[in-house]
Amino acid sequence: GIQVEQSPPDLILQEGANSTLRCNFSDSVNNLQWFHQNPWGQLINLFYIPSGTKQNGRLSATTVATERYSLLYISSSQTTDSGVYFCAVRETSGSRLTFGEGTQLTVNP
Amino acid sequence: EPEVTQTPSHQVTQMGQEVILRCVPISNHLYFYWYRQILGQKVEFLVSFYNNEISEKSEIFDDQFSVERPDGSNFTLKIRSTKLEDSAMYFCASSVSPFIQYFGAGTRLSVL
Repeated sequence: GIQVEQSPPDLILQEGANSTLRCNFSDSVNNLQWFHQNPWGQLINLFYIPSGTKQNGRLSATTVATERYSLLYISSSQTTDSGVYFCAVRETSGSRLTFGEGTQLTVNP
Repeated sequence: EPEVTQTPSHQVTQMGQEVILRCVPISNHLYFYWYRQILGQKVEFLVSFYNNEISEKSEIFDDQFSVERPDGSNFTLKIRSTKLEDSAMYFCASSVSPFIQYFGAGTRLSVL
């Protein structure tokens, strides 16, 4: 099956700093989603981005499908951004999302 | 904004007991999914359901598991005889088409 690798596994920032999270995948995909898992365990949809660039406030994402990677940018980070960020992809056949291991982000005040 | 609703938020059960986890998908969605996340690990796919039948399942989804859409709104996951290793967060998701999947808040299952 498809492999999804996220980096870095852990990231500690001071409030106000910017960061880039990366997701590499091993095969062509029809769907790529970024999620934020908050401290209560909820998975919050951030972006649906199988290709191209999208922005939502301080967050933006870019997927280069031909090179099989996606980047999530967080600017001016806040303590509420803390949590685990997951990338998940769906292969061209099948319905399942395959998740990466996640990036644990800690934003300190 | 419509959301996927899961109940209960936390379920505690004894090993060997049957549990049913419930989900109400977003109302116009046609595809339904269950995932699980063992504490500290990544989210893993269990099963997808479309047109009243299983469309895909993972190796984890063995004979102990079953899914059902008993009426027009609910989607359930049953574990027949729970084991300690079934302790996890279980997420239900739904989608209009097999593209953007929307996740519920999860049910934390604790097997004692």
